Amino acid sequence: AQSVTQLDSQVPVFEEAPVELRCNYSSSVSVYLFWYVQYPNQGLQLLLKYLSGSTLVKGINGFEAEFNKSQTSFHLRKPSVHISDTAEYFCAVSGAQGAQKLVFGQGTRLTINP
Amino acid sequence: DSGVTQTPKHLITATGQRVTLRCSPRSGDLSVYWYQQSLDQGLQFLIQYYNGEERAKGNILERFSAQQFPDLHSELNLSSLELGDSALYFCASSVEGTPWKTQYFGPGTRLLVL
Repeated sequence: AQSVTQLDSQVPVFEEAPVELRCNYSSSVSVYLFWYVQYPNQGLQLLLKYLSGSTLVKGINGFEAEFNKSQTSFHLRKPSVHISDTAEYFCAVSGAQGAQKLVFGQGTRLTINP
Repeated sequence: DSGVTQTPKHLITATGQRVTLRCSPRSGDLSVYWYQQSLDQGLQFLIQYYNGEERAKGNILERFSAQQFPDLHSELNLSSLELGDSALYFCASSVEGTPWKTQYFGPGTRLLVL
């Protein structure tokens, strides 16, 4: 079984500042890793995913994440945030075999202050 | 717009009642997933269907059931409703049921049990 821990429930940052949202996972098998964003009153949208290959993954809206197998982490970063990035961010893991059962973290609420 | 539609958007009902939530996947997607998002449990995977057949099961209660019809739309049936079933229910779809394919989420159905 897999599990995900998002280390910060809320992250406030100023506009144009960099941000890192932390995610650690636990699994006894190979995994795929995902970051989803949920804007207010909307469904989830995929930001990026790590399947294999390069450990640095680039996604939409200027976000990127780095897979670190030894530290079982998949932290999300953006060098300069905008007001429009205000949302809830979810890290998720899926076993690399069998059906895709996404296991989500508890979410990190990112608030951008002007 | 992800292309996944869910109806109704909101549902208010009483304890002990039964409701049906409907989901239409993106055109061409064969797999449908159901998730529950609540304040205390977070985002939890309930069940997956692929081309009409159940593929994977998560933390789905026995009072809940789902099916996927020949036209690929899916319904989630919730019966003997309890206060704790109040949550946002998401449907997602993907082309296949494989773990590396992106899941596209609908806008959700907000269920309030009074």
